[in-house]
Amino acid sequence: NAGVMQNPRHLVRRRGQEARLRCSPMKGHSHVYWYRQLPEEGLKFMVYLQKENIIDESGMPKERFSAEFPKEGPSILRIQQVVRGDSAAYFCASSPWEGADQPQHFGDGTRLSIL
Amino acid sequence: GENVEQHPSTLSVQEGDSAVIKCTYSDSASNYFPWYKQELGKRPQLIIDIRSNVGEKKDQRIAVTLNKTAKHFSLHITETQPEDSAVYFCAASRRVNRDDKIIFGKGTRLHILP
Repeated sequence: NAGVMQNPRHLVRRRGQEARLRCSPMKGHSHVYWYRQLPEEGLKFMVYLQKENIIDESGMPKERFSAEFPKEGPSILRIQQVVRGDSAAYFCASSPWEGADQPQHFGDGTRLSIL
Repeated sequence: GENVEQHPSTLSVQEGDSAVIKCTYSDSASNYFPWYKQELGKRPQLIIDIRSNVGEKKDQRIAVTLNKTAKHFSLHITETQPEDSAVYFCAASRRVNRDDKIIFGKGTRLHILP
């Protein structure tokens, strides 16, 4: 059973470009979470999705950021018109059960660098 | 909302000695407390978790204790080895509302000294 797969592992963008980060959850997992991690800091919740549904996006900036988890295919975190402050590691986690009190399994992350 | 504090931010211990990392939480409704280990440049890995209906859980050299009254929980690593060097994150969560989320501490960088 493959783990949570994220790609790309590293992404370099210039200011103003778009960044698309992909996450394929573990097989059988229908709950996906996206987190952002700055150097020397913890994981900050961004968004929680189930298939075709955004359950909680309270941690995601309202502008430039969006997320989806379609019926088929990976979950996508999209950042439009990137700025230097978007540079961070973005991690995706998945769980087979609903609820924040269930174990989450993380992918290897995407390290986003903005030039 | 929930707030998780983690101490210390950095910890150095001699190989073979024990390491203890402590966390406090603010929401008395929190009922799930996972611990993650993150090596440099790698994914956070769940190493142990505990639920509020137990006070202690052990898995080989790793143990976690929970004091619900005081709202704090701790990670204990015994007989530390070089491969234990990493950043450790505690977290707390509850399941009351659909949009409840896991809240992470800021991490403890553990150095195992040879």
